Amino acid sequence: GAVVSQHPSWVICKSGTSVKIECRSLDFQATTMFWYRQFPKQSLMLMATSNEGSKATYEQGVEKDKFLINHASLTLSTLTVTSAHPEDSSFYICSAIGVNTEAFFGQGTRLTVV
Amino acid sequence: LAKTTQPISMDSYEGQEVNITCSHNNIATNDYITWYQQFPSQGPRFIIQGYKTKVTNEVASLFIPADRKSSTLSLPRVSLSDTAVYYCLVGSYGQNFVFGPGTRLSVLP
Repeated sequence: GAVVSQHPSWVICKSGTSVKIECRSLDFQATTMFWYRQFPKQSLMLMATSNEGSKATYEQGVEKDKFLINHASLTLSTLTVTSAHPEDSSFYICSAIGVNTEAFFGQGTRLTVV
Repeated sequence: LAKTTQPISMDSYEGQEVNITCSHNNIATNDYITWYQQFPSQGPRFIIQGYKTKVTNEVASLFIPADRKSSTLSLPRVSLSDTAVYYCLVGSYGQNFVFGPGTRLSVLP
């Protein structure tokens, strides 16, 4: 199947700093990318939907100024966690959809804020 | 978005066939049914997708009755490495998926 690559796989950062997570579709053009977060033993929660070249649509309760999403090309979307705090520690997962394809997920990024 | 209901957990033994049923009573005409598998600290991995009747691939089968209000994922002869969370998702192409809690499958030796 198609490949979606996330980078980094894990990151530890200090409280108050910002962290950028990249999501790339390696072998197809992603018309839409989604960002999820997942806490231990819980399901994935959708944070935002992004379409190439337009502003992301955030789910209710997700701060758009804290979780900056950029989808500058059909193969790359980035999520920047600004001024990270320990409660932002989580597993972040992106997924990408092409034209008439199922969703393909990245391997996830484990963020730990200390 | 169609809501799905599936068992929270299931136990099985190695070599057995496992069937996980998902209910999706308000599935829309354009919706497909997709199953994903997730291991700890990994992103979900696509298993199988179908619209109606039966679909089979190298890892699983998906049975969908005529009314499409439910579906059953069948895993033949499971092994320990099939221990994971399985998600049943319903939606049309381009839509985001709303993840339920999934089914935590434990395969015992």
